[in-house]
Amino acid sequence: ETGVTQTPRHLVMGMTNKKSLKCEQHLGHNAMYWYKQSAKKPLELMFVYNFKEQTENNSVPSRFSPECPNSSHLFLHLHTLQPEDSALYLCASSQEGRNYGYTFGSGTRLTVV
Amino acid sequence: QKEVEQDPGPLSVPEGAIVSLNCTYSNSAFQYFMWYRQYSRKGPELLMYTYSSGNKEDGRFTAQVDKSSKYISLFIRDSQPSDSATYLCAGPNTGNQFYFGTGTSLTVIP
Repeated sequence: ETGVTQTPRHLVMGMTNKKSLKCEQHLGHNAMYWYKQSAKKPLELMFVYNFKEQTENNSVPSRFSPECPNSSHLFLHLHTLQPEDSALYLCASSQEGRNYGYTFGSGTRLTVV
Repeated sequence: QKEVEQDPGPLSVPEGAIVSLNCTYSNSAFQYFMWYRQYSRKGPELLMYTYSSGNKEDGRFTAQVDKSSKYISLFIRDSQPSDSATYLCAGPNTGNQFYFGTGTSLTVIP
């Protein structure tokens, strides 16, 4: 496989559930990101990991918890979400130090009911 | 004021038309910009990368930057139905992070 792979593609969860989103990149990049994409809004940066270390947490509620066990894998753990958290969650990777932009995954479409 | 602003559209054009997609930016220190294309049910993919000095052409696509007015444009010549997508502009933040516009939804009608 190549590129950035996200699973699952779709997720419906209740507000009391716990679930995790998974992202894997096969590009040898050293930085990974979680973005939230909602209709009519710009992409919202949630978390940044450089060389497995979290370097950015943009005031994201604690019901979202990231994990980066190595430079190829990134998780987003979800618990007690709210309906307004329904969105497309995108994972991206890049090579820090090179301004070549991001490679995005296809995203997980999350619906909180 | 948002760092990068973009008209969300939607924009609908007939096949073969020239399409103009535009963004404005607020930070005059931006030195390069990117255009991403996002098809339905897919993540954004990098389409073009341009420095803040003039035009860049790639096939039917031309990216243009006007520093004096802080305006960036993407032109698509001879538009095709396969160009139907959402187009996002992006300018650099610190490190390797970016500010994104809201995206403009484009439909090219056969």
